[in-house]
Amino acid sequence: NAGVTQTPKFQVLKTGQSMTLQCAQDMNHEYMSWYRQDPGMGLRLIHYSVGAGITDQGEVPNGYNVSRSTTEDFPLRLLSAAPSQTSVYFCASRTDLSGNTIYFGEGSWLTVV
Amino acid sequence: AQSVTQLDSHVSVSEGTPVLLRCNYSSSYSPSLFWYVQHPNKGLQLLLKYTSAATLVKGINGFEAEFKKSETSFHLTKPSAHMSDAAEYFCVVSEDSNYQLIWGAGTKLIIKP
Repeated sequence: NAGVTQTPKFQVLKTGQSMTLQCAQDMNHEYMSWYRQDPGMGLRLIHYSVGAGITDQGEVPNGYNVSRSTTEDFPLRLLSAAPSQTSVYFCASRTDLSGNTIYFGEGSWLTVV
Repeated sequence: AQSVTQLDSHVSVSEGTPVLLRCNYSSSYSPSLFWYVQHPNKGLQLLLKYTSAATLVKGINGFEAEFKKSETSFHLTKPSAHMSDAAEYFCVVSEDSNYQLIWGAGTKLIIKP
């Protein structure tokens, strides 16, 4: 049971480049989400999805795009990377919106230069 | 609206002495509360969770937390610190009404030999 798998673990981008952070879970969870973690702050919600075909914005959605074509996958796209998007990104999943056990990926360290 | 305040950004204790990490929350409804731990350059691991059962919650690695509704607190404690406890700890609240997670800013626990 792999849990939540995020790739890549480390990435350096130039300003203006686009890229996709991949997230996959094999637990048949309905609810998936993306967070960013910045120094001195807790995790902040970027986007979330309550099931295939349904996505919604979180606290800090600007500059990011998501889609949920399958239950398993929830990729996060940076449309035009900016230095302010340098951060650590975590994907998470849980059984459903009320599921109290949340599973996190190991994180993706992104640097935009 | 929900909010979480971790009262100390850094806590330093000597190995073998007690640990206290403080967390206060604000919630309009019945909250679920969590503590997560993050070791340097690692992902997030659930230490324990409170979901309206027993107010004293025991977690992994000897940690426990007590939910005190009258004080709106959920402080994390451990009787005897170990060097391996050095990490950052996050207090998280989730309201049953919307299930979104609100993260505290984190407390960095430093263990002195």
